[in-house]
Amino acid sequence: AQSVTQPDIHITVSEGASLELRCNYSYGATPYLFWYVQSPGQGLQLLLKYFSGDTLVQGIKGFEAEFKRSQSSFNLRKPSVHWSDAAEYFCAVGASNFGNEKLTFGTGTRLTIIP
Amino acid sequence: DADVTQTPRNRITKTGKRIMLECSQTKGHDRMYWYRQDPGLGLRLIYYSFDVKDINKGEISDGYSVSRQAQAKFSLSLESAIPNQTALYFCATARGAGVIEQFFGPGTRLTVL
Repeated sequence: AQSVTQPDIHITVSEGASLELRCNYSYGATPYLFWYVQSPGQGLQLLLKYFSGDTLVQGIKGFEAEFKRSQSSFNLRKPSVHWSDAAEYFCAVGASNFGNEKLTFGTGTRLTIIP
Repeated sequence: DADVTQTPRNRITKTGKRIMLECSQTKGHDRMYWYRQDPGLGLRLIYYSFDVKDINKGEISDGYSVSRQAQAKFSLSLESAIPNQTALYFCATARGAGVIEQFFGPGTRLTVL
């Protein structure tokens, strides 16, 4: 069964600073990987996804993530955060076997931005 | 208008009451999901449906039931609510086979007293 670990429960960064949120996954085959963002009082919005191909994927709002198979990681990055990036971020891994398509989510990382 | 809507958005109920949470979508997707979110636990899958006649239990289905009334509607019921079912509930939809992006509703905050 697949699993996701987000080791950082809460991260605080200054506005304009760079950001990296960590995600490690466990899955026996090639994973399908996602990052979602949840703004306060909102549902989840997809930031980016990795299915295959280029291991560096670009998403919305200036975010990117890099798939590293050797480290079983899919870390999310942004070179310069904005106050509006304050939210909770979830990494998810998808099962690829037909008829059993589900997402397994990590426990989330809450991002606080300070002036 | 939102593609995935959930009603109600907030609900306070008492232990033992029956409650239904509803989800509707205009995306034309065949797959629908119910999750609950608890602080520190992320999202956990309750039930999912790949079409009107295909309903499956997720990892935490005990105490819940679902109904897929039409392709566009997927309801979650708590037959006898208990306080540890206090949580934020999300409905999601997806289209097609294989692992694909899920689209989430705004959530329903349920409090069981």
